[in-house]
Amino acid sequence: AQSVTQPDIHITVSEGASLELRCNYSYGATPYLFWYVQSPGQGLQLLLKYFSGDTLVQGIKGFEAEFKRSQSSFNLRKPSVHWSDAAEYFCAVGAVNTGFQKLVFGTGTRLLVSP
Amino acid sequence: DGGITQSPKYLFRKEGQNVTLSCEQNLNHDAMYWYRQDPGQGLRLIYYSQIVNDFQKGDIAEGYSVSREKKESFPLTVTSAQKNPTAFYLCASSIGLPDSPLHFGNGTRLTVT
Repeated sequence: AQSVTQPDIHITVSEGASLELRCNYSYGATPYLFWYVQSPGQGLQLLLKYFSGDTLVQGIKGFEAEFKRSQSSFNLRKPSVHWSDAAEYFCAVGAVNTGFQKLVFGTGTRLLVSP
Repeated sequence: DGGITQSPKYLFRKEGQNVTLSCEQNLNHDAMYWYRQDPGQGLRLIYYSQIVNDFQKGDIAEGYSVSREKKESFPLTVTSAQKNPTAFYLCASSIGLPDSPLHFGNGTRLTVT
């Protein structure tokens, strides 16, 4: 069964600084990988996804993520953080071979942005 | 605009009462899901449905029930058998293929006292 680990519960970044959120997955085959963002009291919004092709994927709001098969990682990055990026970020992995989508989510990383 | 509507946003119940959370979508999606979110635990899958009149248990289905009588609707009932029902509940939908993203509603916060 697939699983996702987000090792950082909280991260604080200064506004304008770069950001990297870590995500490691466990899955026997090529996974489908997603990053979602959640503002307090709201649902989740898709930032980006990877399932094949170029291992560097671009998403909304200036985010990107890189799939590294050798490290079983799918880290999320942003070159310059804005105060509005403060939220909780979830990495998720989907199984390729089930014929149906069933995502497993990580426990999330809360991003705090300092002035 | 198409989307997912969850109602109500806040729900309060006394222990021992069943309560039903509403989820409606107008995205014409075949698949619908219910997740439970607790602090520090991420999202855990309660039930999912691939098609009308069919649904499957997720990882934490005990104490919950669902129905899927219409494509647009997937209500979740939290029964008195659920030991710790206080949580944030999220409904989602997708076209159901492995690489398709989930579209989420804005959630219902249930408090049971």
